[in-house]
Amino acid sequence: NAGVMQNPRHLVRRRGQEARLRCSPMKGHSHVYWYRQLPEEGLKFMVYLQKENIIDESGMPKERFSAEFPKEGPSILRIQQVVRGDSAAYFCASSPRDRGEQYFGPGTRLTVT
Amino acid sequence: ELKVEQNPLFLSMQEGKNYTIYCNYSTTSDRLYWYRQDPGKSLESLFVLLSNGAVKQEGRLMASLDTKARLSTLHITAAVHDLSATYFCKVLRDSNYQLIWGAGTKLIIKP
Repeated sequence: NAGVMQNPRHLVRRRGQEARLRCSPMKGHSHVYWYRQLPEEGLKFMVYLQKENIIDESGMPKERFSAEFPKEGPSILRIQQVVRGDSAAYFCASSPRDRGEQYFGPGTRLTVT
Repeated sequence: ELKVEQNPLFLSMQEGKNYTIYCNYSTTSDRLYWYRQDPGKSLESLFVLLSNGAVKQEGRLMASLDTKARLSTLHITAAVHDLSATYFCKVLRDSNYQLIWGAGTKLIIKP
């Protein structure tokens, strides 16, 4: 059973470009979480999704950020018009149910130049 | 206000010593998780504590949960360099299944 997959692992974008981060949950998992982590800091919750539904987006910035988890395919975290402050590691976690058990992907390290 | 507080946030210790990391939380919960993160890596699940009085052990690490005191401890016995990492606790809030993370404890173990 493959683990949570994220791609790309490293992404470099210039200011103003768009970044698309992908997360394929573990087989059989229908819950996906996205977190952001700055160097030497903790995890910051961004969004919690189930298939075709956003359950909790209280951690998402109001502008430029969006997330989806379609019926087919990976979950996508999209950042439009990136700025230097968006540089961070973005982790995805999947869960078979909404009871706290999470399995983390390897992360995508976004660098905005 | 919902809080999960870890302390210490930073700990430098010598190999062979024992120490404890604390995780206090302010909500009702009977489910607590510990994770480990190595520098530049993802998070690895260490322990899931599912009820009051739960104790789990893996090698030199032992975790316990006291839901009445709203406290979990991660005890390190005879530390070795390989345990150097950042350790996070996470609490599942009973009322709405919200997940709340501690800020992490960065542990450095010197030879």
